[in-house]
Amino acid sequence: AQKITQTQPGMFVQEKEAVTLDCTYDTSDQSYGLFWYKQPSSGEMIFLIYQGSYDEQNATEGRYSLNFQKARKSANLVISASQLGDSAMYFCAMREGRGSYIPTFGRGTSLIVHP
Amino acid sequence: DVKVTQSSRYLVKRTGEKVFLECVQDMDHENMFWYRQDPGLGLRLIYFSYDVKMKEKGDIPEGYSVSREKKERFSLILESASTNQTSMYLCASSPRTVPRTEAFFGQGTRLTVV
Repeated sequence: AQKITQTQPGMFVQEKEAVTLDCTYDTSDQSYGLFWYKQPSSGEMIFLIYQGSYDEQNATEGRYSLNFQKARKSANLVISASQLGDSAMYFCAMREGRGSYIPTFGRGTSLIVHP
Repeated sequence: DVKVTQSSRYLVKRTGEKVFLECVQDMDHENMFWYRQDPGLGLRLIYFSYDVKMKEKGDIPEGYSVSREKKERFSLILESASTNQTSMYLCASSPRTVPRTEAFFGQGTRLTVV
């Protein structure tokens, strides 16, 4: 069974609109961390945002926010005011367990921002 | 600026060749990882290392081996390259004891086996 599920292979959004990229996860650990990465066509993986399982507040970093719903085991990425440069692959990842250090990745969502 | 550097951006090798992919990090991280990325499959872990000379198999280790003789360097070895190993290979590193810290990635190596 997949630990990280991203159900949207591709998404389209109009420039300046907001978009939500879905991510659900599966773990029996109480302590875990959730990450989102962006991968432009150049190939490098760019870290965007982190949410810890014990964090009370949803994480935010500039135009990125993480909609964390623990009971539903979902960690959706919200990008506000989309820009053309946001066109990329987006990966959700999880690191399980206290002291664990191995990130497990989803299959990714390809986001295209239209002008 | 923190850095993970992979030795090649693009590589073309012949079937049966022994292939070395090198990765160096300058952040003094204990953990290093090799992932393989294929369209529609995301990133799959091949091997990881949590210390010098220590290694653990990931999800898809078959056909690969690794070497970590120095803390900063983690090498992925394809003993006898095959066409089904044509892929994008990503190296990453992270500190061992800081759970909130993300993994840092190299720029990736696009390997084509012909």
